[in-house]
Amino acid sequence: GAVVSQHPSWVICKSGTSVKIECRSLDFQATTMFWYRQFPKQSLMLMATSNEGSKATYEQGVEKDKFLINHASLTLSTLTVTSAHPEDSSFYICSAILHDSAEVFEQYFGPGTRLTVT
Amino acid sequence: GQNIDQPTEMTATEGAIVQINCTYQTSGFNGLFWYQQHAGEAPTFLSYNVLDGLEEKGRFSSFLSRSKGYSYLLLKELQMKDSASYLCAVRDHSGAGSYQLTFGKGTKLSVIP
Repeated sequence: GAVVSQHPSWVICKSGTSVKIECRSLDFQATTMFWYRQFPKQSLMLMATSNEGSKATYEQGVEKDKFLINHASLTLSTLTVTSAHPEDSSFYICSAILHDSAEVFEQYFGPGTRLTVT
Repeated sequence: GQNIDQPTEMTATEGAIVQINCTYQTSGFNGLFWYQQHAGEAPTFLSYNVLDGLEEKGRFSSFLSRSKGYSYLLLKELQMKDSASYLCAVRDHSGAGSYQLTFGKGTKLSVIP
């Protein structure tokens, strides 16, 4: 089946620093990847849609200059949290679309990255 | 946009059957997904409905009524490992692409002996 990996699985950083999270589709090519954020006991909130070779599309209320997304290849998208603050502490999850023959266009999720900003 | 509603928590007994409901409002429905999410882990795909009716997949079944904006996930022969959050997600024909999902807040299911 389709596998999506994320790295790192968890990270602790100091306030004001930047953190890069990688999302890779291991056995398929993904022209579209999504970045979500999930706070404790809440649902996944879509942050942005990452398209290979073009600029990401950000959801309303998500600062594009703070959350930098790069989708440089068909198997890799990165999310960089710049000048992180404690309120950015969250569970960040990426997903990738597999264009299957059934046209379900199922999203496959990475294992998530737990970010803690101190 | 969408409005997705599902119960916050449910408790059921091992071996029993439980039904988790989801209601939604959307302007351009393009499919409904159910995901299972264990604490601290990413969601895993359970089912997909785009037409009315019941989709059965082993112990899990999912039902959709587009006219009522309603779906349910049915779990049979509950096992302790089924304790998790179950997320209802709706896809619509959004302007940014037709693959975006909007998730409900999830239903935390606790299976007790």
